[in-house]
Formats: sequence, C-alpha cells, structure tokens
Amino acid sequence: DAKTTQPTSMDCAEGRAANLPCNHSTISGNEYVYWYRQIHSQGPQYIIHGLKNNETNEMASLIITEDRKSSTLILPHATLRDTAVYYCIPRGGGNTPLVFGKGTRLSVIA
Amino acid sequence: KAGVTQTPRYLIKTRGQQVTLSCSPISGHRSVSWYQQTPGQGLQFLFEYFSETQRNKGNFPGRFSGRQFSNSRSEMNVSTLELGDSALYLCASSWGLQGGTEAFFGQGTRLTVV
Repeated sequence: DAKTTQPTSMDCAEGRAANLPCNHSTISGNEYVYWYRQIHSQGPQYIIHGLKNNETNEMASLIITEDRKSSTLILPHATLRDTAVYYCIPRGGGNTPLVFGKGTRLSVIA
Repeated sequence: KAGVTQTPRYLIKTRGQQVTLSCSPISGHRSVSWYQQTPGQGLQFLFEYFSETQRNKGNFPGRFSGRQFSNSRSEMNVSTLELGDSALYLCASSWGLQGGTEAFFGQGTRLTVV
C-alpha cells in the first residue's frame, strides 16, 4: 500500500475554500486516490476519488498532480459542518480494503 | 434509500464475555466490511465479506470473527472480551468488493468493556 503524508491539522475561515494536501509519492499505477471524512462520532463519509484526471462532484474537487505523487482536496466554500478529519487513501482495485492513516483535522472557523 | 444500519449503537460488556454486533448494508450492496476505531490505533480493518464468504482479513486475533447471511446482513462476534476491545466498531457496505467501489459507513457500535 502507498504511504500518505497529510498535515495533522488545518484551519479554514467559513465561506473560504479549504485546500487539503496529501502526499502519496509511492502510489502505484493502478491505485486510485480516495478521500473520506469523519465528522465527530459518525462513520466515515465518502467524498470523492480519482485516478489521474481532476474530478469534481457536489461535495468537492480533487486535483491530482501529473506525476500522481500528490493531490489536493478542495472544499470550495467551507461551512462549519465541514469540520472533520479528512483521510486521503490510495487504493487499488480488486480485493483491497480501505487503509486509514491519521488524516487531517480540519477546523472551519466562523 | 436507507443507509447502513448498525445495532446496537451502544453496548457495555464485562471482561471475559462475548458480544455480537449486527450490520444491515444498503439494499443491493453485497459487500460488508468491518473496522475497529480506537484513539490509539485509529481506524483498522477487521474483515470483509462478499456473497457470504470472507474475502479479506486484517491483523486481528481469532477472537474476532464474522459472518454474512444470504440477505447480505452481517454480524461480527468478539469472544473473551478484553478491556482493549473497547472501541467504535464500524461497518461499511459497498456494491462490489471494496477495492472497486466506494464504501458507505454506518454510525457504528460503541462497545465499552469493563
């Protein structure tokens, strides 16, 4: 499994864009980059995933560098409800479980 | 449609007892995975079931076991409980095997061993 490095914590002002970086320099060619978040006392929530192209959905955008060694999750207009721990998870196909690291604790501040 | 349902939400057991936790996946999902979350170790994978067969297993002792029924519902059992088994146990369901599709998590069962 590819190793990931994420900041331990980040703050973001409410209404501003939150940019969460993830370094996954050992990612292999068939591994997608998945992002999940966990709001306090709840189960993790799927956000988005991508292979090499940038992806966008109703929750967030995912920017993956051309060499695929890092990615950035963007929450375009952060709200207080986005306060959570965000996990970046490289994951191959087939029979591979999610391997959670320590993630980034994002605090959205009013 | 209904999400992943885990029961019970909270449980208190005594050391040495056994416990069974239940997970009902999203309708149509055939894969159920179980995770343990503790403050010290974070989220750790226990096992995954697909079509009633265990397809993947994490690094946990044999006291932790599970099964899946024909309707995709799953149970996990922990025997001879230890204080260190106190944790939030999370179940995730997905349409196919985890690697290929996104997983949806339940709210978890918080187990306290005293």
